[in-house]
Amino acid sequence: NAGVTQTPKFQVLKTGQSMTLQCAQDMNHEYMSWYRQDPGMGLRLIHYSVGAGITDQGEVPNGYNVSRSTTEDFPLRLLSAAPSQTSVYFCASSYTAATSLYGYTFGSGTRLTVV
Amino acid sequence: SQQGEEDPQALSIQEGENATMNCSYKTSINNLQWYRQNSGRGLVHLILIRSNEREKHSGRLRVTLDTSKKSSSLLITASRAADTASYFCATDPFGGSARQLTFGSGTQLTVLP
Repeated sequence: NAGVTQTPKFQVLKTGQSMTLQCAQDMNHEYMSWYRQDPGMGLRLIHYSVGAGITDQGEVPNGYNVSRSTTEDFPLRLLSAAPSQTSVYFCASSYTAATSLYGYTFGSGTRLTVV
Repeated sequence: SQQGEEDPQALSIQEGENATMNCSYKTSINNLQWYRQNSGRGLVHLILIRSNEREKHSGRLRVTLDTSKKSSSLLITASRAADTASYFCATDPFGGSARQLTFGSGTQLTVLP
């Protein structure tokens, strides 16, 4: 089925470890983004991309890196995991980066725990 | 920083009743969107209303937008147990260099059978 696929669904990391959260979409969407969701705080934007080779920072980018080498994939890298990065991470995509046109399609999330 | 704030934080109603959730925001917007999130799942886009629109309908959903008051409301009519979820408003700020949708903290709706 078409959509946004995130892997893994669950992950436990030790402090200081690094890992990559994967996100792939098969809808030829131009725009992709990463959010984290923490209790009582809604979703906060980490990084986003308006097309292959173009990325930019969101509200909470520290400790995370992204790249967009293809239209389909937008991985999120945790450089050195910290307990403060314990959260649920969502990847979202949209047909276009232009405003006022389309909503986002979300993946099912990755629940990350850093101990 | 959160642009949209939902009210109430939690709402419990009986099946068949209407549910109304409100969203207030701070700055000018291009559009406002509502999303639903079932427990343990991703968000699902429900409806988008542009800044020059005042009301929009989609099935049992009715969304209003008052840009002078910087507020929006989501009405779910004839609610069902399956409507139990968290509902988020998200604003697309005017003048941004690219899309940076900003989400509120959500309203938890419980529909009792």
